Amino acid sequence: QKEVEQDPGPLSVPEGAIVSLNCTYSNSAFQYFMWYRQYSRKGPELLMYTYSSGNKEDGRFTAQVDKSSKYISLFIRDSQPSDSATYLCAMITGGFKTIFGAGTRLFVKA
Amino acid sequence: GAVVSQHPSWVICKSGTSVKIECRSLDFQATTMFWYRQFPKQSLMLMATSNEGSKATYEQGVEKDKFLINHASLTLSTLTVTSAHPEDSSFYICSAGGTAYNEQFFGPGTRLTVL
Repeated sequence: QKEVEQDPGPLSVPEGAIVSLNCTYSNSAFQYFMWYRQYSRKGPELLMYTYSSGNKEDGRFTAQVDKSSKYISLFIRDSQPSDSATYLCAMITGGFKTIFGAGTRLFVKA
Repeated sequence: GAVVSQHPSWVICKSGTSVKIECRSLDFQATTMFWYRQFPKQSLMLMATSNEGSKATYEQGVEKDKFLINHASLTLSTLTVTSAHPEDSSFYICSAGGTAYNEQFFGPGTRLTVL
């Protein structure tokens, strides 16, 4: 079993839709949870990060962590074609080693 | 966030040759630098972690004699792929890390193709 599971997609939605991206994990030692966005042939860029259960909002993005269920989500409201990218969840132990999910490819159609 | 550059952005080489990839943290002093490899449609896999002035720590399954990492300063780390083979063709990405967990800034990546 992988430490971090993420459906690779692809996920295709119409412009304006609410997008839900999810990851599950098995390692209780993960303390920090991140979401990265990666455009084709580019390095990942950090979108959101959190270390506690609950919701964190930043503009159209909401990150949700449920440590009891070992489940994290990223919601994108009013999705735009420019949101089309691969979204990677990532988790960090106390030693700052980052484990990435497989990434979900998202396509937002105009 | 901090700006991290990689050079070259892409390289094609013959099998058996060595290739050096540079990772520079332009406006940030990186306590730690990380090297990742990403195959098409797959996630990033950590290869090694290096601290300035120390030997790199390699992940299980990564050959340290094949992937030489030098972290000469707080702003520069290099990855040398020695005696490259076609199976080494991949997207190599570095990141520069600070002292906080959310301080990890990724470079744009280097696409290596070994013929």
